[in-house]
Amino acid sequence: NAGVTQTPKFRILKIGQSMTLQCAQDMNHNYMYWYRQDPGMGLKLIYYSVGAGITDKGEVPNGYNVSRSTTEDFPLRLELAAPSQTSVYFCASSYSRKTSGNQETQYFGPGTRLLVL
Amino acid sequence: GQNIDQPTEMTATEGAIVQINCTYQTSGFNGLFWYQQHAGEAPTFLSYNVLDGLEEKGRFSSFLSRSKGYSYLLLKELQMKDSASYLCAVRRYSTLTFGKGTMLLVSP
Repeated sequence: NAGVTQTPKFRILKIGQSMTLQCAQDMNHNYMYWYRQDPGMGLKLIYYSVGAGITDKGEVPNGYNVSRSTTEDFPLRLELAAPSQTSVYFCASSYSRKTSGNQETQYFGPGTRLLVL
Repeated sequence: GQNIDQPTEMTATEGAIVQINCTYQTSGFNGLFWYQQHAGEAPTFLSYNVLDGLEEKGRFSSFLSRSKGYSYLLLKELQMKDSASYLCAVRRYSTLTFGKGTMLLVSP
C-alpha cells in the first residue's frame, strides 16, 4: 500500500499560470480532502469529496477547483495562480461508514510545495 | 463557526512530561483528533477522543472534556524525536477544523 500519494513535490508557478495538483489513494477510502498550510497557521480545508462525483467547498475554496471521477483520484486545479496561493498543499483521505461512532481518521499525503512568483 | 486555541510554542527537557492544551468553541462536535507534524512532513495521527475521559497509547495520552470544550495531549518520557508541531483538530460530521498547532522543542 502506497497510502496517499501527491505529485509534484515542489513547483514554481508564474502569476496567472494554471496547474493541477495530483492526489491518489490506494486504501479504498471514500472520503478525500485538500488542505493548504501556511507558515505558523493550521491546515485550512479547501475542498472535500465524500465519493466519486460528489465534491463540496471547505473553508477557503476561492481560486481552486476539484473533480472526483474515480474513488482513487482527487486532483486540485489552480486556474490563475496568485502569490496568495503560495503554500504547502496536503491531500488526505479517510474511510467513512454510515454508522455512529466511526472514527474516520484522515491519512495525509506528503504534500506539494507551491511557490507563485 | 469554530474556534480552536493552542499555545504557539512549548519547550521541555528530554525525559520530562509535557501537557499541550487545546480549547475549542464549535457549533457541532463529533470528536477531537491530535496529529503530530515534523518539520517538512505530513501530519500523522496520534489520538482520537469522542467521549469524555482519558485515552492512553504508550507514551502519549489524550484527555477530553466536552462540557468545558477542552482537551490535552500528554507526552511522557520525552525524547528528542518528539520535537514537532502538535495539531488539535475538531471533527464536525466528516470534516476537521485544525488549530494552528503547538511547536514543541525538546532539549537535552
